Amino acid sequence: SQKIEQNSEALNIQEGKTATLTCNYTNYSPAYLQWYRQDPGRGPVFLLLIRENEKEKRKERLKVTFDTTLKQSLFHITASQPADSATYLCALGSGYSTLTFGKGTMLLVSP
Amino acid sequence: GAGVSQSPSNKVTEKGKDVELRCDPISGHTALYWYRQSLGQGLEFLIYFQGNSAPDKSGLPSDRFSAERTGGSVSTLTIQRTQQEDSAVYLCASSLSTGSGETQYFGPGTRLLVL
Repeated sequence: SQKIEQNSEALNIQEGKTATLTCNYTNYSPAYLQWYRQDPGRGPVFLLLIRENEKEKRKERLKVTFDTTLKQSLFHITASQPADSATYLCALGSGYSTLTFGKGTMLLVSP
Repeated sequence: GAGVSQSPSNKVTEKGKDVELRCDPISGHTALYWYRQSLGQGLEFLIYFQGNSAPDKSGLPSDRFSAERTGGSVSTLTIQRTQQEDSAVYLCASSLSTGSGETQYFGPGTRLLVL
């Protein structure tokens, strides 16, 4: 069955550093991958979409890579800020199917 | 503009009671999704509606769960004879369509606690 793995342990980094979050998947060939941010008590908010034929996408301080050979996506936040502290979810989809979400990784950025 | 809204924001009920959760999607969005998120777990897909097509109910965990979408807009998720394991946050999302890679816009969720 499809499996999506994100680091279950929180990632603690210092302000100004680059945060890198990992999303690995098995038994799946997604056509695209999305990253969402979720703050406590709130619903997820869409950040970035990357398709299978794209290797990298950037948006402001965010960068996503998608390696279909390794079955992995990396999500980078450069010059991280305490306001970036949240849980980040990756979600995979193909065609017109619904998204399959990972459990998310909590990021804590300390000043 | 207005985002996805859900009500109630919190619901406490007794085991065995029925509950109804409401979702108002973004106006003009044809696709609507329900998810469940338990503590420490990812989003678990429950059901989705696309326009006038038959809903995809493949994620509903049991026949105690049902949902309907009236007039292609508001949706209600009903849980009958609630159990303690139904305690979770129920999230609703909508999107313009179910096109490939379409962004989903989430509501704030309904926190359900079954005592």
